[in-house]
Amino acid sequence: AQSVTQLDSHVSVSEGTPVLLRCNYSSSYSPSLFWYVQHPNKGLQLLLKYTSAATLVKGINGFEAEFKKSETSFHLTKPSAHMSDAAEYFCVVSGGGADGLTFGKGTHLIIQP
Amino acid sequence: KAGVTQTPRYLIKTRGQQVTLSCSPISGHRSVSWYQQTPGQGLQFLFEYFSETQRNKGNFPGRFSGRQFSNSRSEMNVSTLELGDSALYLCASSLKGGSGVNYGYTFGSGTRLTVV
Repeated sequence: AQSVTQLDSHVSVSEGTPVLLRCNYSSSYSPSLFWYVQHPNKGLQLLLKYTSAATLVKGINGFEAEFKKSETSFHLTKPSAHMSDAAEYFCVVSGGGADGLTFGKGTHLIIQP
Repeated sequence: KAGVTQTPRYLIKTRGQQVTLSCSPISGHRSVSWYQQTPGQGLQFLFEYFSETQRNKGNFPGRFSGRQFSNSRSEMNVSTLELGDSALYLCASSLKGGSGVNYGYTFGSGTRLTVV
């Protein structure tokens, strides 16, 4: 079995300040982990993925995430928020078993001007 | 290259009817999976197909079914529609599916189903 917990349902930051979106996971297997972003009325876009290579993963649009096995965490960060980052962000785990992809509930990122 | 194509984009159906949604994966991708997105339940896994075989299935009633064709295109069918089936249905394709490491899925824009 696998599960994902996104610790914040909403995060609000000012433009130009750092972004931190928190995610904890559990998996019976060595997991693959992903962050996806969904803009209003759009599909899901892959930001970055961890698949047992480097623990610090760099993605698109300046986002990065660090896989910490001891903390079972995969937090998403960005040094400087931009207005276009406002969207819903999903942390996703795939344990390679029969559960497909398991999504967190999502974090709504709000960027204040 | 073309992305994942889902048709139709919008559907309105009446309770008790059935509906078929279509998904064309990225060329060369043999894995297709389906997800239901609702405000209350979030994104939930429906099923995954790989080379015309259902590999994984989520916790949904038997009214939800799917299939995959030899060209990797997939359809999902929902019979005896209920109001609670109103949702955005997303399809995703992957170069490598089934058990083992997943290298990321590319999602389509979804089909928004409204049941009245």
